[in-house]
Amino acid sequence: ILNVEQSPQSLHVQEGDSTNFTCSFPSSNFYALHWYRWETAKSPEALFVMTLNGDEKKKGRISATLNTKEGYSYLYIKGSQPEDSATYLCAFLHNSGNTPLVFGKGTRLSVIA
Amino acid sequence: DVKVTQSSRYLVKRTGEKVFLECVQDMDHENMFWYRQDPGLGLRLIYFSYDVKMKEKGDIPEGYSVSREKKERFSLILESASTNQTSMYLCASSYGGGEETQYFGPGTRLLVL
Repeated sequence: ILNVEQSPQSLHVQEGDSTNFTCSFPSSNFYALHWYRWETAKSPEALFVMTLNGDEKKKGRISATLNTKEGYSYLYIKGSQPEDSATYLCAFLHNSGNTPLVFGKGTRLSVIA
Repeated sequence: DVKVTQSSRYLVKRTGEKVFLECVQDMDHENMFWYRQDPGLGLRLIYFSYDVKMKEKGDIPEGYSVSREKKERFSLILESASTNQTSMYLCASSYGGGEETQYFGPGTRLLVL
């Protein structure tokens, strides 16, 4: 059974604070690591797909890093805004070619104005 | 833009009823997925399909079945709805054969009384 862990489960930050959270995944048979943002009353939307060890991706104030050797990825949000409030999901893709994404339970971020 | 639509946003059914949840995608994606989302449990995969008339069990298939007669449509069937199937149901699709970013529908919130 593939296990994807995210921490913390939830956090509250003040507007303007920077924050980060963690996704841990199996370090063997890695193919890709996905990050999704899921805002309340909306559908999850893809943020990043990461495949290479040491990869770093950025979209506006949000960035992510990847360490496939030790099995973790960090998502960073710089200068959090209320519109960043959402659940952030990571998902691991195994390299077997016939298993679907395995999602973590998510980190629920609340940004307080 | 990829569009994934689900037949209902909200649905109320009675215990024992047969329930059909429909999902349609318009981007010719090979892969389609059904998840349920419950507080504290994250996204759990019910069934998925990598091609027409193909189906694979996910992590929690009990009490559900699926049908994929056409590439664009993936139906989730609750043969005899029970109260523990009250949940948010999300459909997703992906192109397949690569990094497999998933595109999600808006979700159906099902209440079984």
